Amino acid sequence: QSALTQPRSVSGSPGQSVTISCTGTSSDIGSYNYVSWYQQHPGKAPKVMIYDVSKRPSGVPDRFSGSKSGDTASLTISGLQADDEADYYCCSYAGTYTFVFGTGTKLTVL
Amino acid sequence: QEQLVQSGADVKKPGASVKVSCKASGYTFTDYFMHWVRQAPGQGLEWIGWINPNTGGTNCAQKFLGRVTMTRDTSISTAYMVLSRLRSDDTAVYYCARVRTKYQPLFDSWGQGTLVTVSS
Repeated sequence: QSALTQPRSVSGSPGQSVTISCTGTSSDIGSYNYVSWYQQHPGKAPKVMIYDVSKRPSGVPDRFSGSKSGDTASLTISGLQADDEADYYCCSYAGTYTFVFGTGTKLTVL
Repeated sequence: QEQLVQSGADVKKPGASVKVSCKASGYTFTDYFMHWVRQAPGQGLEWIGWINPNTGGTNCAQKFLGRVTMTRDTSISTAYMVLSRLRSDDTAVYYCARVRTKYQPLFDSWGQGTLVTVSS
């Protein structure tokens, strides 16, 4: 099972919006609506921001949204804030009760 | 408040085995699958596998087949992961994280991570 493909880095200025893509295959993202997104600050454990493609856990701001089209899922962060600067990872169900993570994207807030 | 507390950092020689523990509190241990995820220095997250604390059943990524063993002790709400035949590229922070279902990658609580260093 290969890792899902994410851009290595994205950037945006405070107040702007950024979108991070996560490309898989018809065996994972393309077949299931079970994609989640994680935010990880340096030295910390990941934190779930989106699950089931577009659902937000309680406590996550509605500035974070998720979507999916075909084999690609996307995370959009609007109204960028300094504290959004972190690494972001997607994760998908990959069949036979296995999961696969994305390669990770470093978000820089300019 | 649910909490996962992992064992401390460890240093092992190549070819040895390492055992990492993950003690759960604040929720019913058998209600959630316990997953293991690792992160090599400066690298991304890698899913290792899970154990069902209720039945003891396990599943793992193909690359870890035959090298990883996951167990649990329900009497003390603790899950364990043993990785054997260690190599230098197994050096990583190992996390445990709970998930409610078999197919929904919703890791809603994580341990603090355990650094495993493999070095001769």
